[in-house]
Amino acid sequence: QITLKESGPTLVKPSQTLTVTCTFSGFSLSARDVGVGWIRQPPGKALEWLALIYWDDDKRYSPSLKSRLTITKDTSKNQVVLTLTNVDPVDTATYYCAHKLVTDAFDVWGLGTVVTVSS
Amino acid sequence: EIVLTQSPGTLSLSPGEGATLSCRASESVNSNYLAWYQQKPGQPPRLLISAASTRATGIPDRFSGSGSGTDFTLTISRLEPEDFAVYYCQRHGGSPYTFGQGTKLEIK
Repeated sequence: QITLKESGPTLVKPSQTLTVTCTFSGFSLSARDVGVGWIRQPPGKALEWLALIYWDDDKRYSPSLKSRLTITKDTSKNQVVLTLTNVDPVDTATYYCAHKLVTDAFDVWGLGTVVTVSS
Repeated sequence: EIVLTQSPGTLSLSPGEGATLSCRASESVNSNYLAWYQQKPGQPPRLLISAASTRATGIPDRFSGSGSGTDFTLTISRLEPEDFAVYYCQRHGGSPYTFGQGTKLEIK
């Protein structure tokens, strides 16, 4: 059974760096075709895909946020970490991580972690 | 970058009726790698359909997907009370994995 769980700070100040962690079980991120992605959702708004990392360390980013995002993996810890630099109140959102195979959709999601950007 | 436009923004229907939700892409979606998700308040999205028409595990057969190229449709044949939610389409075959803006299906 695949599970994912997001963790991170609930409150971040503007201009700081946000770091959220996805801890997963039930699959290996060293197995061929496996990926983990990050998606966020501001309150009352639509889903926005942010980044994705594959088993072979191939990394993909949202073009609009690419300069501020970094995604990394720690296969031994079964974790994927997303950092977002220079945050602004518009970055306030629920941040989700999700499992994906190369051409498949995001089939299993975590429950999300709520992050507020405010001074 | 492909833009996905969903219509209508809100759909008001009664249980037992059928629902048709649309997702239009600004350019052709490669290999029809188009997914549909359902999201209820306070919950993460749930995958319903991938590759335009393949139901995910455990999804009832009243949910069906169709379409190709730039025009895709999610059809719910007989609405159950638990089907009232927000639905999103997403391009999943290649980066960027864009989402549509969502269609809210509400009880009339």
